[in-house]
Amino acid sequence: GQQVMQIPQYQHVQEGEDFTTYCNSSTTLSNIQWYKQRPGGHPVFLIQLVKSGEVKKQKRLTFQFGEAKKNSSLHITATQTTDVGTYFCAGLGNYGQNFVFGPGTRLSVLP
Amino acid sequence: EPEVTQTPSHQVTQMGQEVILRCVPISNHLYFYWYRQILGQKVEFLVSFYNNEISEKSEIFDDQFSVERPDGSNFTLKIRSTKLEDSAMYFCASSRVGNPVDEQYFGPGTRLTVT
Repeated sequence: GQQVMQIPQYQHVQEGEDFTTYCNSSTTLSNIQWYKQRPGGHPVFLIQLVKSGEVKKQKRLTFQFGEAKKNSSLHITATQTTDVGTYFCAGLGNYGQNFVFGPGTRLSVLP
Repeated sequence: EPEVTQTPSHQVTQMGQEVILRCVPISNHLYFYWYRQILGQKVEFLVSFYNNEISEKSEIFDDQFSVERPDGSNFTLKIRSTKLEDSAMYFCASSRVGNPVDEQYFGPGTRLTVT
């Protein structure tokens, strides 16, 4: 079945440094969503990407969907302590109606 | 801002007992979901529900699980005979549309502990 992988598993950065997490799917995706989960919290929707090669920006966050629609990335510029949490990608396959979540990248930001 | 609510926040039960987890999705949403997250691990899809029936279910969602929308507001997940490995955080989510899938709003979760 469809598998979604993310790297790195953990990332520790100094406040102000950039951060990138990468998401890879074993199959071509229809679309991909990104979520953020604060420690002890629930997943919160960040963005959905649908088109091949699509790039979307939200303030310091940049999301990209690969040309082949099998990978995606989330880049945070100049991290802040409020960025701490686990970032999950969730991919929807071409024939499925449910999202498969990646294992997440846990981001720690040192002040 | 409207939000998904879940009760209880924490449920402790003995192995073999039945539990019902409750969710109130956002009122104008049509698609409902249950996910689970074992501590420190990824979010796993259990089931999606639309128009009073299951749309999709995962391999995890076996015969011990069932979902119901008993009235116009509640959406429940029942686990008939709990096992130790059912201990996890269970999240309910809802979305306005499901085809194509829209933004999913997650509830705060119910932490289920099976002893």
